[in-house]
Amino acid sequence: EAGVTQFPSHSVIEKGQTVTLRCDPISGHDNLYWYRRVMGKEIKFLLHFVKESKQDESGMPNNRFLAERTGGTYSTLKVQPAELEDSGVYFCASSQDQGLVGYTFGSGTRLTVV
Amino acid sequence: AQSVTQLGSHVSVSEGALVLLRCNYSSSVPPYLFWYVQYPNQGLQLLLKYTTGATLVKGINGFEAEFKKSETSFHLTKPSAHMSDAAEYFCAVTSTSGTYKYIFGTGTRLKVLA
Repeated sequence: EAGVTQFPSHSVIEKGQTVTLRCDPISGHDNLYWYRRVMGKEIKFLLHFVKESKQDESGMPNNRFLAERTGGTYSTLKVQPAELEDSGVYFCASSQDQGLVGYTFGSGTRLTVV
Repeated sequence: AQSVTQLGSHVSVSEGALVLLRCNYSSSVPPYLFWYVQYPNQGLQLLLKYTTGATLVKGINGFEAEFKKSETSFHLTKPSAHMSDAAEYFCAVTSTSGTYKYIFGTGTRLKVLA
């Protein structure tokens, strides 16, 4: 089966610009998660979708971040306007259940805000 | 709040030597525990997990981990390191409320010396 696909793999943008990250989960996986790793720190939860609904968005840093999951398939994470502290690696993961048997992660998008 | 501590951000071992990566967690109830590995330019890959039952769990690539409730630990071991084990390793625990989101440690980068 195809894995979790994320693109772009890298993005360099200027402070104040907008960036949209995309994640295509494994087909049939209802649960989709976004995580972020700021350099040198732990990977932190951002939010969780079940199909098209946001189940938990308690990890979203602020209202500059907007996540959507169209029709319960792919998901996008938009940062607008980007700030320097938004730099990091953004991981997407999907699972059939709610993660109790483990997620399948994508390779991540490395975002650099300059 | 739950937390995960990985002692040693960098660990070096000689090829053929024992690998021991430490993970301690804090949780008020028995958690589910995971180890993930990230090879360069790849996503996180599940190595092994503990949910219930036998406290010694075996994973892929010869790794195993033992859940010790009294020590709140879930250390990862491999009897004999191989050059291909060089990667970053993450310990994670599920949140025991809500959506089973993961709480990660800060990661340990394993270097294998020839």
